[in-house]
Amino acid sequence: KQEVTQIPAALSVPEGENLVLNCSFTDSAIYNLQWFRQDPGKGLTSLLLIQSSQREQTSGRLNASLDKSSGRSTLYIAASQPGDSATYLCAVRTESGSARQLTFGSGTQLTVLP
Amino acid sequence: NAGVMQNPRHLVRRRGQEARLRCSPMKGHSHVYWYRQLPEEGLKFMVYLQKENIIDESGMPKERFSAEFPKEGPSILRIQQVVRGDSAAYFCASSPIAPQGLANYGYTFGSGTRLTVV
Repeated sequence: KQEVTQIPAALSVPEGENLVLNCSFTDSAIYNLQWFRQDPGKGLTSLLLIQSSQREQTSGRLNASLDKSSGRSTLYIAASQPGDSATYLCAVRTESGSARQLTFGSGTQLTVLP
Repeated sequence: NAGVMQNPRHLVRRRGQEARLRCSPMKGHSHVYWYRQLPEEGLKFMVYLQKENIIDESGMPKERFSAEFPKEGPSILRIQQVVRGDSAAYFCASSPIAPQGLANYGYTFGSGTRLTVV
């Protein structure tokens, strides 16, 4: 059974800092990994999708990497801004079992202080 | 393209009442997934539906919960005789194709329905 862990659970940084969020998963046989952002009381916004054959994806100040063999992904946020404050969720779609499901981590709650 | 539309955004029900949550997928999407986010927990898969078919309901509680996706109209998640423990955010996602056929696409989620049982 796939399990996804995100560390740290919460992170507070001053504006302008670069930061890294971590995601690990137990079953490396995945189709893809997706990073989402969730604002309080809101829905999920997809940030980046990395296919299993890819090593990284970039969008603006965000860069996500994937090391499938070791079961790890990182989300790098450059030059953080207060508007980046949100909960960041990592989700994987696993080849085994039901490929229809996404397995989510519990998220990292990020606060960027002005 | 309005994206995945869920309504209502907030729903309050008394214990024992029924809750109906609606999800209209993105235009052109015929696959719908429901997830539940309990307070202080991550999102958990509930059910995957195609038009007029339930494909995978392995995450649905065995009693009181049901889902449908009719040929016309939105997908409905129905919770009968709600209890306090059903209070959660319920999210719907949609995709254009079956997940087994193509692995390299992501899911698009709606804004969710926040159910509060009092």
